[in-house]
Amino acid sequence: DTGVSQDPRHKITKRGQNVTFRCDPISEHNRLYWYRQTLGQGPEFLTYFQNEAQLEKSRLLSDRFSAERPKGSFSTLEIQRTEQGDSAMYLCASTLSGTALIYNEQFFGPGTRLTVL
Amino acid sequence: QKEVEQNSGPLSVPEGAIASLNCTYSDRGSQSFFWYRQYSGKSPELIMFIYSNGDKEDGRFTAQLNKASQYVSLLIRDSQPSDSATYLCAVYRGNQFYFGTGTSLTVIP
Repeated sequence: DTGVSQDPRHKITKRGQNVTFRCDPISEHNRLYWYRQTLGQGPEFLTYFQNEAQLEKSRLLSDRFSAERPKGSFSTLEIQRTEQGDSAMYLCASTLSGTALIYNEQFFGPGTRLTVL
Repeated sequence: QKEVEQNSGPLSVPEGAIASLNCTYSDRGSQSFFWYRQYSGKSPELIMFIYSNGDKEDGRFTAQLNKASQYVSLLIRDSQPSDSATYLCAVYRGNQFYFGTGTSLTVIP
């Protein structure tokens, strides 16, 4: 399977616990995005990486959230001290970005559904 | 003003009819435009993208872009019950993708 993969697919945790999600992008894609989606809403941008560099982070993202993409391959998203409001679907997407490319097709992984009790 | 606006629906069409989904965007600097289909509980699936004014056809789907009016649409011909889903419009600008809230489509057999 050459698509975007995410792990785990579901996570149930208690308030105050830390959680970490993993995303493996399409292998040739140099850009990776993280989104959060709640019911009835479109995906909300969290952050993105160009290779291993984190280039932009949403102002909505509190300091409890951190993301890494070591070596420009897979990425992790960690949420510390989870709150009930963090319950959502966390989506990862990847794209091939370059100066000659203006359309930047973005492909999503299956998502990780987080439930904070 | 929201970056991307869609009518949330629900939109219902009979099987075999044409479904028309609309989207407007606020920033004229938007470079490319995407339609995603999302089934309940699943992640968005890319259907089409368009970046030039006019129409782009792919099978039963046609995307239309009018940059002067800042308007993007998706037409689904010969609608099937399997097309019942939420359709998300997204625009790409400044290294980011901005999504609308989606339009719920139901195709009635």
